[in-house]
Amino acid sequence: GAVVSQHPSWVICKSGTSVKIECRSLDFQATTMFWYRQFPKQSLMLMATSNEGSKATYEQGVEKDKFLINHASLTLSTLTVTSAHPEDSSFYICSAPGRPAGTDTQYFGPGTRLTVL
Amino acid sequence: AQRVTQPEKLLSVFKGAPVELKCNYSYSGSPELFWYVQYSRQRLQLLLRHISRESIKGFTADLNKGETSFHLKKPFAQEEDSAMYYCALSPANAGNMLTFGGGTRLMVKP
Repeated sequence: GAVVSQHPSWVICKSGTSVKIECRSLDFQATTMFWYRQFPKQSLMLMATSNEGSKATYEQGVEKDKFLINHASLTLSTLTVTSAHPEDSSFYICSAPGRPAGTDTQYFGPGTRLTVL
Repeated sequence: AQRVTQPEKLLSVFKGAPVELKCNYSYSGSPELFWYVQYSRQRLQLLLRHISRESIKGFTADLNKGETSFHLKKPFAQEEDSAMYYCALSPANAGNMLTFGGGTRLMVKP
């Protein structure tokens, strides 16, 4: 089946630094990927839709200058948390629709836990 | 905007008992509804979707448009069903974008 990976799985950084999280579709191409954020004991909240070769679409309330998304290839989307602060600490999860194109099945990455000190 | 509500954060049942995890939604159009499951230390994965009308691991869910509900049911719970369950909605023509409910933790006791 389709597999989505994320790297790193866990990162700790100092306040003010930037952190890049990668999301890869391992055995299929994804023109669209989704980035979610999950706080402890809460549900997943969609942050943005990553579109290959074009700008990401951000959900209301998500700062596009803080959460930079780049979808440079059909198998890779990156989320960069710029000038991270403790309130950005969270679990970040990406997903991608599996093959064939247009299927409604989403495949999720294992998530990346970000802790900002 | 669409919304998904799972009224129970925690549901605890004994092995062999019936299970019903509730999900209600609000959306003006015709949505696609899903149930996702997350077992301990594993990633989120699709359990079932309403358009397939299938039974997975003994679970079924029927879309009730009149009551705007998509409750997940299983007649006899097993210990291995213990997990976090999320109901999710994808608006029509939304390109697979999902809105999740708050999740329900199911604990099946021996």
